[in-house]
Amino acid sequence: QSVLTQPPSVSGAPGQRVTISCTGSSSNIGAGYDVHWYQQLPGTAPRLLIYGNVNRPSGVPDRFSGSKSGTSASLAITGLQAEDEADYYCQSYDINLSGYVFGTGTEVTVL
Amino acid sequence: QVQLQESGPGLVKPSETLSLTCGVSSYSISSGYYWGWIRQPPGKGLEWIGNIYHSGSKYYNPSLKGRVTISVDTSKNQFSLKLRSVTAADTAVYYCARVSGSKYAEFWFDPWGQGTLVTVSS
Repeated sequence: QSVLTQPPSVSGAPGQRVTISCTGSSSNIGAGYDVHWYQQLPGTAPRLLIYGNVNRPSGVPDRFSGSKSGTSASLAITGLQAEDEADYYCQSYDINLSGYVFGTGTEVTVL
Repeated sequence: QVQLQESGPGLVKPSETLSLTCGVSSYSISSGYYWGWIRQPPGKGLEWIGNIYHSGSKYYNPSLKGRVTISVDTSKNQFSLKLRSVTAADTAVYYCARVSGSKYAEFWFDPWGQGTLVTVSS
């Protein structure tokens, strides 16, 4: 059972903006630890999307953006495209668990 | 660019030891970075297993209760995972990845290997 909670699914029409929340606690996100985001296309390995809360690796479109506040973080996808259909996971560090933790995952569907 | 590739048996019997290797290409493990293992049970989320530095410094997920050993072989440019006393709950796709970041508690994983499915069954 993950300590980072995400909505199971979000959906939007092409071109719309969707956001995915990642809710943690005072032992992880709220303790100031960075949040990172991954995209997992069907049948493939996860790919880094956002690191250090807000940074995009080279090659990641600027349609993807991250933010963090308090005990939560969010991933926003603007100008939603069919190729964005995937599972998305947040990741942080938990001091009580002494290790890295992933969110429960969110499936994004493009209507 | 660095590439990682997992290899090892796809089927392991209950109570035995799962052994996987991650080969790294286009980057020398000796040059730095931590290297990690993550797993994903079928249809479920991701779980961190552990990280190792080229010098051998390592960190494990406490939830795996001492069943895990990660080692590195710089001469072969690869690192390995052993998970002892496996049960059906250890059935998962196992990924290896390079670990990046400047502070231990703020590391992220990039890039990832393609993953390998390990099934625990008699």
